[in-house]
Amino acid sequence: DQQVKQNSPSLSVQEGRISILNCDYTNSMFDYFLWYKKYPAEGPTFLISISSIKDKNEDGRFTVFLNKSAKHLSLHIVPSQPGDSAVYFCAALSGTYKYIFGTGTRLKVLA
Amino acid sequence: EAQVTQNPRYLITVTGKKLTVTCSQNMNHEYMSWYRQDPGLGLRQIYYSMNVEVTDKGDVPEGYKVSRKEKRNFPLILESPSPNQTSLYFCASSLVTITPRGDEQFFGPGTRLTVL
Repeated sequence: DQQVKQNSPSLSVQEGRISILNCDYTNSMFDYFLWYKKYPAEGPTFLISISSIKDKNEDGRFTVFLNKSAKHLSLHIVPSQPGDSAVYFCAALSGTYKYIFGTGTRLKVLA
Repeated sequence: EAQVTQNPRYLITVTGKKLTVTCSQNMNHEYMSWYRQDPGLGLRQIYYSMNVEVTDKGDVPEGYKVSRKEKRNFPLILESPSPNQTSLYFCASSLVTITPRGDEQFFGPGTRLTVL
């Protein structure tokens, strides 16, 4: 039973345009959400996070939106750059430090 | 340099031969965790530790053991590896904070394990 789902395994976007990566979850007890980026042959690196008491968090080109009623979060990257090409994982926490990750979305930014 | 190190980076072994993958961090982090990454399944947490001598099961702990005798080290032990444990393994560490939630896990470079 996948509690955190990333339904798009891959996404291609032109350089300079917006990339939108989506993540759905089923457990309403999740209170913290995170996005990680992973390049091949490297460990994931933290990108941005959001608490369930907020609906938006921005950090430079990256913005995460949280819609609690729909149990949906999204990561917006504007403008997209070729260096953003990577696999993106969303993750959720529910009061403990037990992380639940999604299956990942491979983003390809075309020059 | 702040980092999480894992050894070995690559390992091919046979079914039933006990192995240990080491993980060490130099950031004085309380929290450490092990994950496995498999195609189509994303990252799944195996075990985590909030501090020395405190460990807890993640989503997929079966077939694995861990220990946390020192703050900096968190080895992953496979007592009797099986082919379904062939995977890419990551160790991670972070501070433990309540407000805001500790969020920046630092990941190691990964260990690719093949069990024949």
